[in-house]
Amino acid sequence: GQQVMQIPQYQHVQEGEDFTTYCNSSTTLSNIQWYKQRPGGHPVFLIQLVKSGEVKKQKRLTFQFGEAKKNSSLHITATQTTDVGTYFCAAPNTGNQFYFGTGTSLTVIP
Amino acid sequence: DAGVTQSPTHLIKTRGQQVTLRCSPKSGHDTVSWYQQALGQGPQFIFQYYEEEERQRGNFPDRFSGHQFPNYSSELNVNALLLGDSALYLCASSYRDSGEKLFFGSGTQLSVL
Repeated sequence: GQQVMQIPQYQHVQEGEDFTTYCNSSTTLSNIQWYKQRPGGHPVFLIQLVKSGEVKKQKRLTFQFGEAKKNSSLHITATQTTDVGTYFCAAPNTGNQFYFGTGTSLTVIP
Repeated sequence: DAGVTQSPTHLIKTRGQQVTLRCSPKSGHDTVSWYQQALGQGPQFIFQYYEEEERQRGNFPDRFSGHQFPNYSSELNVNALLLGDSALYLCASSYRDSGEKLFFGSGTQLSVL
């Protein structure tokens, strides 16, 4: 299956600080998706990126797909306690089955 | 509009037993994918069902099997349970195998003692 690596594995930030998580693949991706999983919850779809160099924003969240379509990032500006959770990237294999990254667990300290 | 529903929510089994988990996809969805999520890990792809057939399988042994019914609901069966099978089992539905976003159920927490 598709292998995507995420860094960092854990991130603790003070409320109001920014946060970034990175997703890297050794192969070119057709697209990449991002999900958020709250503690005790299930993954919830955030966004899908398809085009090389694509940048999409959702309020304080900015998603980017690399020019070579091998990496992606999620940046959160001015974190809030509601941002707590684990953020996963997910990439499809040739059969369009999605494989998830290792995730970045975000803790926001009030 | 019902989302993805899974049952049961929690299950406790002993080594060697067999378990069946159930999933009803979101209304309008015809594809069901199963994932295993161990504590602190990302979801691991088990297999996907579309048109009542297994489309692709992740790196899981034959002890893991599944089925999809004509109404698109699905079952995941695990035989000869091992301690390492303890995990959250997530069902995700989507429309066809076209790379559309996945809608996840709340999962079944399986504990093997």
